[in-house]
Amino acid sequence: DAGVIQSPRHEVTEMGQEVTLRCKPISGHNSLFWYRQTMMRGLELLIYFNNNVPIDDSGMPEDRFSAKMPNASFSTLKIQPSEPRDSAVYFCASSPGAPGNTIYFGEGSWLTVV
Amino acid sequence: AQSVTQLGSHVSVSEGALVLLRCNYSSSVPPYLFWYVQYPNQGLQLLLKYTTGATLVKGINGFEAEFKKSETSFHLTKPSAHMSDAAEYFCGIIRGSTLGRLYFGRGTQLTVWP
Repeated sequence: DAGVIQSPRHEVTEMGQEVTLRCKPISGHNSLFWYRQTMMRGLELLIYFNNNVPIDDSGMPEDRFSAKMPNASFSTLKIQPSEPRDSAVYFCASSPGAPGNTIYFGEGSWLTVV
Repeated sequence: AQSVTQLGSHVSVSEGALVLLRCNYSSSVPPYLFWYVQYPNQGLQLLLKYTTGATLVKGINGFEAEFKKSETSFHLTKPSAHMSDAAEYFCGIIRGSTLGRLYFGRGTQLTVWP
């Protein structure tokens, strides 16, 4: 079975450029999460969608960050404009939705902003 | 506020020795607790989880964890470490007040010496 699919796996971009990270959750899962991992801050939950609706975006660091989920099989995380401090690994994860269910992670998108 | 505290950012053991990774949580209601493992340059993979029922939970690769409400702990153990266990381990919590959101501790890097 296909897991959570993220693209691109690696991206290097210049400061000020727009970055779009993409995620395809596991089919049938109705919860989707975006996480950011850095050495300084560890794993941070950025935003949580349930049934395509953003439920909690309190972890989104700044207005430069935005996330959308136009349908059940696709989500994007956009950074505009990007800054060097945005360099991190961004993970998308999905789950069937009930709180005790396992949350499945993608392989991550490794972003470097120079 | 930090919901999960992992004691020790680095743990080193010899091959064949006991592995003990510590996790303490804070929650006013019974939580759901998770342990995930992350190998280099990969996403997170579920090791085990506690939702309800038996407090001793067995997971993959010989790991187990025990939910101790009186100690607010969910420590991860493995009787005999293997070289392939070297990875970073994350304790996670879903609390009733933030239903659906999985929050992680800062992680513990496990090194296994031959």
